[in-house]
Amino acid sequence: DSGVTQTPKHLITATGQRVTLRCSPRSGDLSVYWYQQSLDQGLQFLIQYYNGEERAKGNILERFSAQQFPDLHSELNLSSLELGDSALYFCASSVYRDGEQYFGPGTRLTVT
Amino acid sequence: GDSVTQMEGPVTLSEEAFLTINCTYTATGYPSLFWYVQYPGEGLQLLLKATKADDKGSNKGFEATYRKETTSFHLEKGSVQVSDSAVYFCALSETDTGGFKTIFGAGTRLFVKA
Repeated sequence: DSGVTQTPKHLITATGQRVTLRCSPRSGDLSVYWYQQSLDQGLQFLIQYYNGEERAKGNILERFSAQQFPDLHSELNLSSLELGDSALYFCASSVYRDGEQYFGPGTRLTVT
Repeated sequence: GDSVTQMEGPVTLSEEAFLTINCTYTATGYPSLFWYVQYPGEGLQLLLKATKADDKGSNKGFEATYRKETTSFHLEKGSVQVSDSAVYFCALSETDTGGFKTIFGAGTRLFVKA
């Protein structure tokens, strides 16, 4: 158990819909990262937050957005969903030293 | 841009065989290097890391040495077990506008037969 929690574990929704994925980092970690893992694209870094502020951005679509709240939990919002958004979404956290990250169990999103 | 290249899998070995999974990287700065492991149905777990040239990371019998001259970070284990069957990801992290940007390789699936 990494100490990072993600909810929900599974999510099934239809194209065009909007969903919110939630992540609680390890106690004491200020940084949160979001990743998308799909069979054809591998593991893609989406975005990083540190203590409530966006710090690094990867291959995140404009339809996706994220935020980190004062209690340090983070949410990833995915809108206008397409079939190709079906994937595992991982959250990770770190103390923000050298990039060492602790991953949550992931949310499996299926868009039908 | 920065990138990480891993050997393609799957790699299939018999128990107690020697394991090498190759990883090379390109980076503009001085990244930290990591190996993560993903067991079926789970998230990634940090296996080992190295933060500067010539550092050796080690954990659970796995080792990797940060080679700046060859831009490599190959993962090795002297004697694999069935329980080592998993997907292994090489990754680099470096600062990017105040944060850490992490780039993962495509992953290498390892099967170990009894």
